[in-house]
Amino acid sequence: QVQLVQSGAEVKKPGASVKVSCKASGYTFTSYGISWVRQAPGQGLEWMGWISAYNGNTNYAQKLQGRVTMTTDTSTSTAYMELRSLRSDDTAVYYCAIGYAAIPAFDIWGQGTMVTVSS
Amino acid sequence: EIVLTQSPGTLSLSPGERATLSCRASQSVSSSYLAWYQQKPGQAPRLLIYGASSRATGIPDRFSGSGSGTDFTLTISRLEPEDFAVYYCQQYGSSSWTFGQGTKVEIK
Repeated sequence: QVQLVQSGAEVKKPGASVKVSCKASGYTFTSYGISWVRQAPGQGLEWMGWISAYNGNTNYAQKLQGRVTMTTDTSTSTAYMELRSLRSDDTAVYYCAIGYAAIPAFDIWGQGTMVTVSS
Repeated sequence: EIVLTQSPGTLSLSPGERATLSCRASQSVSSSYLAWYQQKPGQAPRLLIYGASSRATGIPDRFSGSGSGTDFTLTISRLEPEDFAVYYCQQYGSSSWTFGQGTKVEIK
């Protein structure tokens, strides 16, 4: 079945970087772009950006421009999201998601990765 | 950036009742790019509705979506115990996705 499996929880200090992975299975990896969405504790959902798994084109949320980089490794069907210069307000659960059923929405989600930024 | 405002913030209802959730956009949204999600504690969001009114695979028909332009509605015809959760609307426009702040449907 179609599945996105993310890497485990991370604890980072302010100013550090974190790289979260999202391994896809059950479909042709290069057929779908991958979005990243985060959710701070007790808060709503925030779209971070999107990467084409076909050609690596990216589109980042303006708020995160300059701090976020999304990449893919087609040989392992894995997407990555790196966030730099971490601050306490980057503490959140980070999700990867795709619109698998050729629909303009996210119908397949990873299980989420908790990133805690604390000194 | 298009801002989505959901109301009410919290909806207190009993099982079997009808729930009506609102999502208002700061400017017109293409209906093709309006979606609704359900999220339960500790879980990833689950797609309910896409294209403003199409149910995602496996979603019961008690969930329905409607609306156009700047005003969209998610209706749950008869609340089941498993429907108590937080609901988010989402739109795509100007090369970015945005979410509403969410409506919590709680047991009265």
